[in-house]
Amino acid sequence: KQEVTQIPAALSVPEGENLVLNCSFTDSAIYNLQWFRQDPGKGLTSLLLIQSSQREQTSGRLNASLDKSSGRSTLYIAASQPGDSATYLCAVRRNNAGNMLTFGGGTRLMVKP
Amino acid sequence: DTGVSQDPRHKITKRGQNVTFRCDPISEHNRLYWYRQTLGQGPEFLTYFQNEAQLEKSRLLSDRFSAERPKGSFSTLEIQRTEQGDSAMYLCASSPYISTSNYEQYFGPGTRLTVT
Repeated sequence: KQEVTQIPAALSVPEGENLVLNCSFTDSAIYNLQWFRQDPGKGLTSLLLIQSSQREQTSGRLNASLDKSSGRSTLYIAASQPGDSATYLCAVRRNNAGNMLTFGGGTRLMVKP
Repeated sequence: DTGVSQDPRHKITKRGQNVTFRCDPISEHNRLYWYRQTLGQGPEFLTYFQNEAQLEKSRLLSDRFSAERPKGSFSTLEIQRTEQGDSAMYLCASSPYISTSNYEQYFGPGTRLTVT
């Protein structure tokens, strides 16, 4: 059974700091990995999707890397801003499966002005 | 059509009542998923449809839960005889079934259920 873990569970940083969020998964047979953002009481917004054959994806100040063999992904946020405050979730899709996503518990990020 | 929509956004019900939620996916997406998210946790998969066929159900989906997608467009999730443990955010997502899309899932805003 696939298990996804995110560390840390919560993080508070001053504005402008670069930060790294971690995601690990137990079964390396994944099709892809997605990072999502969730604001309090809201749905999920997809940030980045990395295919299993890729090593990283970038979008603006965000960079996500994937090391499938070690079961790890990181989300790097450059020059953090108060508007980045949210919960960040990673999710993996199994190979040859119904496309269901298995989520980690999330990292709650607070960026202080 | 700008995204996945869900209705209602919030539902408060008394224990023992039945509730039904609706999800309208992005129009060209033929896969639709339901997830449940409790406070402070990541979403957990419940079930998914390809067109009108329900292809997989999680063990989380007890006999009190039923989902339908009768015409392969919108879907409904019904919970019968609600219990306090059913209180959660119910999220719907959709994706196209074409490899060039990477099967990326797009989520709706969710329905927050509170059972009193």
